[in-house]
Amino acid sequence: LAKTTQPISMDSYEGQEVNITCSHNNIATNDYITWYQQFPSQGPRFIIQGYKTKVTNEVASLFIPADRKSSTLSLPRVSLSDTAVYYCLVGDSWGKLQFGAGTQVVVTP
Amino acid sequence: DTGVSQNPRHKITKRGQNVTFRCDPISEHNRLYWYRQTLGQGPEFLTYFQNEAQLEKSRLLSDRFSAERPKGSFSTLEIQRTEQGDSAMYLCASSLASADYEQYFGPGTRLTVT
Repeated sequence: LAKTTQPISMDSYEGQEVNITCSHNNIATNDYITWYQQFPSQGPRFIIQGYKTKVTNEVASLFIPADRKSSTLSLPRVSLSDTAVYYCLVGDSWGKLQFGAGTQVVVTP
Repeated sequence: DTGVSQNPRHKITKRGQNVTFRCDPISEHNRLYWYRQTLGQGPEFLTYFQNEAQLEKSRLLSDRFSAERPKGSFSTLEIQRTEQGDSAMYLCASSLASADYEQYFGPGTRLTVT
């Protein structure tokens, strides 16, 4: 599985857009990029998955450049309830998810 | 909509005792996973089942740990002769085998070994 690097923490104010970039220089051709969100005292929750270009759902957007060596999770107009840890995972078979330490996003009023 | 449930939610035990946790997955999911999470870290994979077959075990799963999924539905994780280093949140997740990138996690069982 490709190693990922993401910031340890990010701060934001309510209503702003938050962009979390994940580096995965060794991503393989068959690898997909998946993001999970974890609120305090809860298990992680799947947010979004993509292979290339842009993917959007009701929660977030995922931007993947042509070289696929990085990806950016975009959270539009965050609220206090978006305070969570966000994990970037890369792989082609998902029997086991390999989480890093993630990015702690703190949203303040 | 019943998600993944885990029992108990909290367990305090003395070192050397045995503990058992239960996980009830989403009913139509044929894959079930166990993870362990310590403070400030992401979850670490322990093991997973497809139906009743245990397909993979992590090196983290020492001989003191055993997991079962006897009828392909609920699963149990037993830790024998607990040690203080076993203190952690134990998370269970389930998924369809065809969509195993999207795992649904339970609330976890927090184990404290004193």
